[in-house]
Amino acid sequence: GAGVSQTPSNKVTEKGKYVELRCDPISGHTALYWYRQSLGQGPEFLIYFQGTGAADDSGLPNDRFFAVRPEGSVSTLKIQRTERGDSAVYLCASSLGRGDTEAFFGQGTRLTVV
Amino acid sequence: AQKITQTQPGMFVQEKEAVTLDCTYDTSDQSYGLFWYKQPSSGEMIFLIYQGSYDEQNATEGRYSLNFQKARKSANLVISASQLGDSAMYFCAMRGRRTGGGADGLTFGKGTHLIIQP
Repeated sequence: GAGVSQTPSNKVTEKGKYVELRCDPISGHTALYWYRQSLGQGPEFLIYFQGTGAADDSGLPNDRFFAVRPEGSVSTLKIQRTERGDSAVYLCASSLGRGDTEAFFGQGTRLTVV
Repeated sequence: AQKITQTQPGMFVQEKEAVTLDCTYDTSDQSYGLFWYKQPSSGEMIFLIYQGSYDEQNATEGRYSLNFQKARKSANLVISASQLGDSAMYFCAMRGRRTGGGADGLTFGKGTHLIIQP
């Protein structure tokens, strides 16, 4: 597709379960970002990939959160032992390169932990 | 610490009027970038406009302009001739070095909910 694609659009999981959220960036975009948006808040930076490597993971809240981008395109955000506080919309964005002024966002995955 | 402040949680504006959405920022960096995004109810963040800290002229993109006042650390968004389709959440954001982190990724404010009335 032409834009950033995120799947699933909605995910409901039980507390303590493991979840994976997928992001398919725009073809050719080397920079990929994950953000988390809680209700009534702006997005909060989680992690940035340049190519296959996580160039900045300083926003990951704890070691239950992990993300990969093994081939430099699709990225997966993984959350272990989910907690109710992890409920939020997880947004992915991509841009042509590092420092590019315009990043394109997907429509997000709404995660609900019950 | 890097911080974005948007003091208007919500605004009601008559169609065709101009709108100013406030944004102030705090950073110790000399080089940074300021962004505005629109988020309609569908949830997708739509890029509107960008201003670099060294840009001498205010950025403009169609009906959007950014009123950049560096000494006051403000980056207000101005929407001219508002339309019903402008109703959405608007977020101001900054790229620069975050406390304890890198300089990639954006720091966002809490947003302003803009409602355009016919």
